Amino acid sequence: QAVVTQEPSLTVSPGGTVTLTCGSSTGAVTSGHYPYWFQQKPGQAPRTLIYDTSNKYSWTPARFSGSLLGGKAALTLSGAQPEDEADYYCLFSYNGPWVFGGGTKLTVL
Amino acid sequence: EVQLVESGGGLVQSGGSLRLSCAASGFTFSSFWMNWIRQAPGKGLEWVANINPDGTKKSYVDSVKGRFTISRDNAMSSVYLQMNSLRAEDTAVYFCGNLRAAYWGQGALVSVSS
Repeated sequence: QAVVTQEPSLTVSPGGTVTLTCGSSTGAVTSGHYPYWFQQKPGQAPRTLIYDTSNKYSWTPARFSGSLLGGKAALTLSGAQPEDEADYYCLFSYNGPWVFGGGTKLTVL
Repeated sequence: EVQLVESGGGLVQSGGSLRLSCAASGFTFSSFWMNWIRQAPGKGLEWVANINPDGTKKSYVDSVKGRFTISRDNAMSSVYLQMNSLRAEDTAVYFCGNLRAAYWGQGALVSVSS
């Protein structure tokens, strides 16, 4: 099955901007992979932030946005807050099975 | 209020079996694809399996094919994961849920001793 690759860790300053990306071993990521983004804080269940590349839920803070960038799926955080420190996972569809990325540990410091 | 409650987790020896159940309420269960995902201790998320609304289409991650079976009972608003030939690497918290609606349970712990 495909492998989805994320940055293992990133650091952003409070109020700063950071972009997390997910690539696919099968080639360019497209809207047909229906990219999802999840946020998970220690001891909590994962929470979905983005679906179908760029769509937000009612609970998704406006500072998060999803896109396709340079053949990858991207999650951009603009105006980072301390509460955004968490693990972030992307998830792609491969016409049946789905595959998570390995996760990015985001530090706000 | 949407609720998904997993049950059936526990400690089992390697090679043994467990059946996870996920009881849903608060939404039209029979209209939704349902998924199982898992998270091993200290590790990332892994998608395990999904099933379409009428139960005729199922997909699995390669590592569980032939050992795990997903099923559903729309009359009971429940989805199940039958896990056979369990291995130590199957030790994880298992979550059931729907991707698009972002409905997820709180998880059930499965521990496989080797």
